[in-house]
Amino acid sequence: GDSVTQMEGPVTLSEEAFLTINCTYTATGYPSLFWYVQYPGEGLQLLLKATKADDKGSNKGFEATYRKETTSFHLEKGSVQVSDSAVYFCALSDSMGGTSYGKLTFGQGTILTVHP
Amino acid sequence: DADVTQTPRNRITKTGKRIMLECSQTKGHDRMYWYRQDPGLGLRLIYYSFDVKDINKGEISDGYSVSRQAQAKFSLSLESAIPNQTALYFCATSESGGANQPQHFGDGTRLSIL
Repeated sequence: GDSVTQMEGPVTLSEEAFLTINCTYTATGYPSLFWYVQYPGEGLQLLLKATKADDKGSNKGFEATYRKETTSFHLEKGSVQVSDSAVYFCALSDSMGGTSYGKLTFGQGTILTVHP
Repeated sequence: DADVTQTPRNRITKTGKRIMLECSQTKGHDRMYWYRQDPGLGLRLIYYSFDVKDINKGEISDGYSVSRQAQAKFSLSLESAIPNQTALYFCATSESGGANQPQHFGDGTRLSIL
């Protein structure tokens, strides 16, 4: 079955540091890939997505590129802020059709803490 | 007002009790989902519904049931709660039309089973 693996956390950075959170996946077919962010006490919000190989998703300074050859979708940001402190989830949506079409499979989440 | 509303936000109850968690949405989406979140495990799918007449089990449906009362409402029930069902529960919605449709989440229900 489909699976998503994220780098172990928690990740602690100083403000303005460079961020990378690794994500790799296993899937049949050609999934869409997502990053979601969860701020304390809230539900998940879509951060960015990519729907086919070599697509780059970007939002709020975050970027991730869909790499089919390495089955990866790593999240990056050049300069993090304290307000970026949250839990980040990588996810894939299956694309094989049938009754499971469009379900999300999530990674385990990575806690990011940014200090001033 | 929130597009996806979950009630209650917090619930503490005892082993063996029946519990219902409710979800309503104003986004007009056909698809609705229930997940549970446990530390270190991410979100796991309990049940999903692609329209009012279509309900499917997810990867961890044992001990849970659902009801899709209308396009806008999808409730999750624990018939006889047990302590290992203590978790954070999320409802989500999405449009039909393909695997690239993002899901929209409520703020969650924190459930504790004593």
